[in-house]
Amino acid sequence: GAVVSQHPSRVICKSGTSVKIECRSLDFQATTMFWYRQFPKQSLMLMATSNEGSKATYEQGVEKDKFLINHASLTLSTLTVTSAHPEDSSFYICSAPSGTSADNEQFFGPGTRLTVL
Amino acid sequence: QKEVEQNSGPLSVPEGAIASLNCTYSDRGSQSFFWYRQYSGKSPELIMSIYSNGDKEDGRFTAQLNKASQYVSLLIRDSQPSDSATYLCAVNTKGGFQKLVFGTGTRLLVSP
Repeated sequence: GAVVSQHPSRVICKSGTSVKIECRSLDFQATTMFWYRQFPKQSLMLMATSNEGSKATYEQGVEKDKFLINHASLTLSTLTVTSAHPEDSSFYICSAPSGTSADNEQFFGPGTRLTVL
Repeated sequence: QKEVEQNSGPLSVPEGAIASLNCTYSDRGSQSFFWYRQYSGKSPELIMSIYSNGDKEDGRFTAQLNKASQYVSLLIRDSQPSDSATYLCAVNTKGGFQKLVFGTGTRLLVSP
């Protein structure tokens, strides 16, 4: 399957700081990527759809000014958690479909575990 | 009604048995269906995709789709302790273009 990487894998930061997470498709191009958040013992929650060359689409209840998404190239999307607070501590995972068809399989990055102190 | 429903489990089976995982979905126009496996602390890993009614087999895994009943299942033959994980059902809903809706997952425990 296609390979998606994320960096960093783990980050610990102080409350009030901003954290940037990178998601890269390594062996394919992705015009669309998805950002999820997962709290312990809960399922994946879609936060936003990242679109190359245009604004991201955010799910209801997700603050776009807090979670900044930039999809600057066909292989890279970034999620910046601004002014992070302890309640933002979570497992952040990106995914990318392997093509542009609705049938294309989606592949997940390994995730970034964010801990805000 | 949730869009994608799964029994949270845990589903406990002995090693070597068949594990049967089930998923129902509400959007009759759904087109694509996926099963992911997620180990604790890790991200989801794609196991199977299925698009047409019937069965699709890949090694020890068989996905079954019944669009009339809005039901998709995953069978794991010869279950191994290493299969112990949470299995997520995901559905690509009509009009959602590549946006997947996930169930809450079924936790599978395979005992040696």
